[in-house]
Amino acid sequence: GAVVSQHPSRVICKSGTSVKIECRSLDFQATTMFWYRQFPKQSLMLMATSNEGSKATYEQGVEKDKFLINHASLTLSTLTVTSAHPEDSSFYICSARTGGNTEAFFGQGTRLTVV
Amino acid sequence: AQSVTQLGSHVSVSEGALVLLRCNYSSSVPPYLFWYVQYPNQGLQLLLKYTTGATLVKGINGFEAEFKKSETSFHLTKPSAHMSDAAEYFCAVRTNTGTASKLTFGTGTRLQVTL
Repeated sequence: GAVVSQHPSRVICKSGTSVKIECRSLDFQATTMFWYRQFPKQSLMLMATSNEGSKATYEQGVEKDKFLINHASLTLSTLTVTSAHPEDSSFYICSARTGGNTEAFFGQGTRLTVV
Repeated sequence: AQSVTQLGSHVSVSEGALVLLRCNYSSSVPPYLFWYVQYPNQGLQLLLKYTTGATLVKGINGFEAEFKKSETSFHLTKPSAHMSDAAEYFCAVRTNTGTASKLTFGTGTRLQVTL
């Protein structure tokens, strides 16, 4: 199956700094990538959908200026958490797919801890 | 709008016993239905999916699910549980709306397998 690689798997940062998380499709071209946030013992909440070469579409309640998403190529999307605070600590997961009706493949997730 | 309800946030079975994880969905259009498994601090792995055609779907690791339109259900089963099945399981629904389609996840069911 297709592989989606997410990096880093774990990151600890100081409050007020920014953190970038990368999501790469290794063996396919991802026209669409999704970013999710997962709180402990809870489900995945979709944050935003990004299509290559265009601006991301954010879900209601997600601050686009805080969670910057860039999908500059067909194999790479990045999520930057700006001015991170402890309440941003969470598990962030990306997924990628080639087209509208194809299966989406998930990255292994990034555990962000803001101290 | 679509939604997913997973009954039972925690299910415990003995090794060798039947596994039954319940999922009910709501969708205004014919749904695509998915079951994913998540191990601690990892992303999601697809177990199986229903799109069209045969309503009994077989997946990896001996799991299967049956799409029942009349009951709006897509319950996940496995005849004999193994210790390695202990994980979090998510049911998801996706409406067939092309490039705008996205997954909606249930709240998850934690499966515990005991000796």
